[in-house]
Amino acid sequence: GESVGLHLPTLSVQEGDNSIINCAYSNSASDYFIWYKQESGKGPQFIIDIRSNMDKRQGQRVTVLLNKTVKHLSLQIAATQPGDSAVYFCAEFSMDTGRRALTFGSGTRLQVQP
Amino acid sequence: NAGVTQTPKFQVLKTGQSMTLQCAQDMNHNSMYWYRQDPGMGLRLIYYSASEGTTDKGEVPNGYNVSRLNKREFSLRLESAAPSQTSVYFCASSLRTGGTEAFFGQGTRLTVV
Repeated sequence: GESVGLHLPTLSVQEGDNSIINCAYSNSASDYFIWYKQESGKGPQFIIDIRSNMDKRQGQRVTVLLNKTVKHLSLQIAATQPGDSAVYFCAEFSMDTGRRALTFGSGTRLQVQP
Repeated sequence: NAGVTQTPKFQVLKTGQSMTLQCAQDMNHNSMYWYRQDPGMGLRLIYYSASEGTTDKGEVPNGYNVSRLNKREFSLRLESAAPSQTSVYFCASSLRTGGTEAFFGQGTRLTVV
């Protein structure tokens, strides 16, 4: 069953196109930024992380960009496939706070059109 | 390899009833977490356990209690369920405290009527 809300921003792309999912963050003291993918009826799954002293990191078909000046994080997915359809969450972690756990954003739904 | 296992998958409670959500991981992870997911609000941290024998409050702990029974198991208890606790609950674990790669269970969909 559907686990995620009905009012998420949605990005619709054609299969084979590149996707860019954006996230704005507020905590300047975050040490890491992370992207998770959640498919319908499942728990979130780790995609990629980036340390705050970096501005770009690449994985398999994915690239994360970090712009600390404007507090913006993006996830780029190359050659988007139907299996990429999911909700994508950005998350952050700060070692300075007493809370040693991830803080999640509200998510973006990616729909891949065949 | 089971990963993180949550039970039950679905539950309906009446207001005022109590229940315990169970979570177990078989990855020998040190840290475990409970999140709730509501429509349009992403995941919010309820409680976490940095290591066996320790638990700490997260963003939304009111109305919940937790027990880190051993390294594998971390349970979440609702003592007196309220309709506001209707949500999907996720348990997660990570190798170390604050690890960026957390592994999530399949979730428990709880409805309080």
